[in-house]
Amino acid sequence: SAVISQKPSRDICQRGTSLTIQCQVDSQVTMMFWYRQQPGQSLTLIATANQGSEATYESGFVIDKFPISRPNLTFSTLTVSNMSPEDSSIYLCSCTRRGRFPTSGVHSYEQYFGPGTRLTVT
Amino acid sequence: AQSVTQLGSHVSVSEGALVLLRCNYSSSVPPYLFWYVQYPNQGLQLLLKYTSAATLVKGINGFEAEFKKSETSFHLTKPSAHMSDAAEYFCAVSAYSGAGSYQLTFGKGTKLSVIP
Repeated sequence: SAVISQKPSRDICQRGTSLTIQCQVDSQVTMMFWYRQQPGQSLTLIATANQGSEATYESGFVIDKFPISRPNLTFSTLTVSNMSPEDSSIYLCSCTRRGRFPTSGVHSYEQYFGPGTRLTVT
Repeated sequence: AQSVTQLGSHVSVSEGALVLLRCNYSSSVPPYLFWYVQYPNQGLQLLLKYTSAATLVKGINGFEAEFKKSETSFHLTKPSAHMSDAAEYFCAVSAYSGAGSYQLTFGKGTKLSVIP
């Protein structure tokens, strides 16, 4: 399995400021993803970040608001810009890796998630 | 296009009782199906997944799920609930397009409470 760490684990920010969230994977991965989980809601994909190319954003998310960097195969950042209280959410980093599921032994691509960054905007 | 519907945003069971969390999916291509668990203040952990092999999939912590194509369902079960099973469970569907290129679509989640 992949081990993913995120910094910060939580933060309280003021309206109008920006926060950059860092995501570190313990080994090289091709695809990294950023998700948002609003209070009481499910996960929504913000964007897919491949190393060496521009991130691909999902409908409803734009680069000016959520700029993403992917400088190498183990690291990515997501910035939440010009924050408002509506941006209060958990932001999760994710990656895919080819692995073998422990109970079935079947090889396939699996998706792993970081612990998340809990953001509160006041 | 793909989507997931989880019936019941909150399920309560007694300790030792059967756990049944329902998930129905819709997908235009043969799906990959997943169950994830999220403990309070933690990230998501993969419980099990269906990838077109056996229709009955066994996962970690005694959970299993059965893929029923005719019912487009992938319900999660555990014969005997434990207090440590209290968490939020997410069903997800993915259309795999090769070379690691696919996107997970999550259901809204079901919060499981276990009553002593």
